[in-house]
Amino acid sequence: NAGVTQTPKFRILKIGQSMTLQCTQDMNHNYMYWYRQDPGMGLKLIYYSVGAGITDKGEVPNGYNVSRSTTEDFPLRLELAAPSQTSVYFCASSNRAEKNTEAFFGQGTRLTVV
Amino acid sequence: AQSVTQPDIHITVSEGASLELRCNYSYGATPYLFWYVQSPGQGLQLLLKYFSGDTLVQGIKGFEAEFKRSQSSFNLRKPSVHWSDAAEYFCAVRNNDMRFGAGTRLTVKP
Repeated sequence: NAGVTQTPKFRILKIGQSMTLQCTQDMNHNYMYWYRQDPGMGLKLIYYSVGAGITDKGEVPNGYNVSRSTTEDFPLRLELAAPSQTSVYFCASSNRAEKNTEAFFGQGTRLTVV
Repeated sequence: AQSVTQPDIHITVSEGASLELRCNYSYGATPYLFWYVQSPGQGLQLLLKYFSGDTLVQGIKGFEAEFKRSQSSFNLRKPSVHWSDAAEYFCAVRNNDMRFGAGTRLTVKP
């Protein structure tokens, strides 16, 4: 049972570089989310998607982009990495049909921008 | 948009003592509420959830939470804490998106 899979697990970027954080889920969930977690700040929602082709901004979308071309995949793109984007990133998914259904999380990607 | 507040950043309890972690939410309609736990370096694991019905919900690992609409609260409780409960705890509220509180770090003294 794979659930939500994130790659890579760790990454170091130089300022100004770009990268894509990959997220895929095999539970046929409609909803997918990207969060960043910083010490003492909890999880902040970056972007979310309620289905293929539909994305929306969360609390902290600046500096990021997303796409949702398939139900399974929800990549997060950083175009010009900045030190402020050093964080742990979590992808999650949930079932649209039941609002009470919890979000299932990936194991996270630890990103450092130097 | 909905929001969640966890007033306590850090709580320390003795092993065997009772625990209550506070969570207050702001949401216009009937909320869908969750408690998650995160051990160091790990992802998030669901402890319990509430969406309707009985306001006292039971979860895994002996945790329970009570929904109080009048107080906009969803506090997490455990009668007797074990050393393995030391972790970070997050309250969350869901509509289309899902918002989390800042978390409460629990330390358990022997």
